Amino acid sequence: NAGVTQTPKFQVLKTGQSMTLQCAQDMNHEYMSWYRQDPGMGLRLIHYSVGAGITDQGEVPNGYNVSRSTTEDFPLRLLSAAPSQTSVYFCASKGQFNYGYTFGSGTRLTVV
Amino acid sequence: GQQVMQIPQYQHVQEGEDFTTYCNSSTTLSNIQWYKQRPGGHPVFLIQLVKSGEVKKQKRLTFQFGEAKKNSSLHITATQTTDVGTYFCAGERQSGGSNYKLTFGKGTLLTVNP
Repeated sequence: NAGVTQTPKFQVLKTGQSMTLQCAQDMNHEYMSWYRQDPGMGLRLIHYSVGAGITDQGEVPNGYNVSRSTTEDFPLRLLSAAPSQTSVYFCASKGQFNYGYTFGSGTRLTVV
Repeated sequence: GQQVMQIPQYQHVQEGEDFTTYCNSSTTLSNIQWYKQRPGGHPVFLIQLVKSGEVKKQKRLTFQFGEAKKNSSLHITATQTTDVGTYFCAGERQSGGSNYKLTFGKGTLLTVNP
């Protein structure tokens, strides 16, 4: 039981490049979310999903796309990376009848 | 949109002293959750409070949920060096149909001097 797995752990991108941050969970959780964490800003919700085929925007969705084709996977796509997207990204999941979210170990992204 | 305010931003204590962090939401919440993040780590779920006025304890940690379900607090008695980290509150509320959005406060960084 691996929990929530995020890859890669570290990534450096050049401005304008695109990439996909991977998130997979093996707990059959319905709810999955992406957060970014910046110093002094806490965790801000980017996108979330309540089940396969259903996604919705969070507080800071601009510049990011998501899809949820399976229960297990919830990738986050950066369309055209900008320095303002330098951050630590966390994926989290929760079962419908569970308490609390399980977080992945994060992806530290630097855009130069 | 929904805002969750958390104070203080930082708290430094001597080992053995008590610590409290406060959380306030601009809207009524379905529940409030508390997480702990160690330096360099990821948030780890501590507890969820659902009922108005609810109080829950985990060893030296006491969690409260306000009567109006808009504020909460976490109190640690006799802090230890293992308590070091950032404590986040997160308010969950319904956002249309069965969708629930979780909004985090900015967290309180606790440091403990041994």
